[in-house]
Amino acid sequence: QVQLVQSGAEVKRPGASVKVSCKASGYTFTSYAMHWVRQAPGQRLEWMGWINAGKGSTKYSQKFQGRVTITRDTSASTIYMELSSLRSEDTSMYYCARGWFFDLWGRGTLVTVSS
Amino acid sequence: EIVLTQSPGTLSLSPGERATLSCRASQSVSSNYLAWYQQKPGQAPRLLIYDASSRAPGIPDRFSGSGSGTDFTLTISRLEPEDFAVYYCQQYGNSLPMYTFGQGTKLEIK
Repeated sequence: QVQLVQSGAEVKRPGASVKVSCKASGYTFTSYAMHWVRQAPGQRLEWMGWINAGKGSTKYSQKFQGRVTITRDTSASTIYMELSSLRSEDTSMYYCARGWFFDLWGRGTLVTVSS
Repeated sequence: EIVLTQSPGTLSLSPGERATLSCRASQSVSSNYLAWYQQKPGQAPRLLIYDASSRAPGIPDRFSGSGSGTDFTLTISRLEPEDFAVYYCQQYGNSLPMYTFGQGTKLEIK
């Protein structure tokens, strides 16, 4: 079954870091780009960055440059997104998505930042 | 950065009617790299249209996309009950940020 399975919800303190995972199955992991997109409550979708799952190269939105790191583990068909220096405005649902146009999405991981 | 503005913000229609959703870009979208997504409450978005007018696999043919340059349209020819959701347009560009989304149009049952 072609799917992306994300890790569970997280609650973090301001200033902390969070690392979210996204495990791919049912297709050739290294053949696709993979993205992270977030959505704050009631807000529009916001692209954070992407990784070439084959080569490991990355590009990040300027908004998150310096705070976000996207990595992958080809042996586990998994990508990761680590966001540092968390603040309350980072409270969002975080999605992974596949391909140049996001034809497959994970179900999302809720990250709550609260003191 | 290309800004995408969707209109209307909310569209109230009845099943069986035709829906026309608009997405306007602040500057020309290169190569018509414009996609449309549907999102239902509590769910991830679903790709409907890519490259402005190509339907994604498994998407019913009542969904169609058109437009070029700065003006794009998503048309749902005959609304089914399951079509009531929020719709987002998205553009892909060569310069960062590579992907931007519109603010969404909520399609609600009248």
